[in-house]
Amino acid sequence: DVKVTQSSRYLVKRTGEKVFLECVQDMDHENMFWYRQDPGLGLRLIYFSYDVKMKEKGDIPEGYSVSREKKERFSLILESASTNQTSMYLCASTEGDYGYTFGSGTRLTVV
Amino acid sequence: GIQVEQSPPDLILQEGANSTLRCNFSDSVNNLQWFHQNPWGQLINLFYIPSGTKQNGRLSATTVATERYSLLYISSSQTTDSGVYFCAVIPSWGKLQFGAGTQVVVTP
Repeated sequence: DVKVTQSSRYLVKRTGEKVFLECVQDMDHENMFWYRQDPGLGLRLIYFSYDVKMKEKGDIPEGYSVSREKKERFSLILESASTNQTSMYLCASTEGDYGYTFGSGTRLTVV
Repeated sequence: GIQVEQSPPDLILQEGANSTLRCNFSDSVNNLQWFHQNPWGQLINLFYIPSGTKQNGRLSATTVATERYSLLYISSSQTTDSGVYFCAVIPSWGKLQFGAGTQVVVTP
């Protein structure tokens, strides 16, 4: 089975801090994604990547950037964390349009 | 964009009961998945089912792509089935789009 690992389950950061959320998949998938999930707003796509060093904006990229230096790793970066970025962050990977596999999620609180 | 509507929004079941969750989508899709989000927030893939019927234990799913809907059946429900069930689709032009989910509570 594909495994998608997110480095932290819970994070608490201060406003203005630079925050890195890490995601690693073990199945050599081309495509990786970052979503955030908020009550009442559902899951929304932040960024995705089709290949190493390639990235595409999703529906809500403002305030975020990403890095994909290696195929298995996709990092989400909050350059200057703000309280409205408190959320559940979910990483996923897939090959083509086949089944998406999600990591266990990171609950980020910005204080 | 594509609309993904799930019903019902909430469902309370007694242990042992059967239920059906529905997902309607507004455009043709390349893929459809059902996920279960457990109380800890993890999204567990239940079915990858762009068309046809699949079964996995007490769960089964049917997608009728031509009529743009999918059904998830839970039989003999257990308390561990509690959580939110999401339908998600990939339209021909885009990325995975989620429905709002069905919150299921199974009581002992």
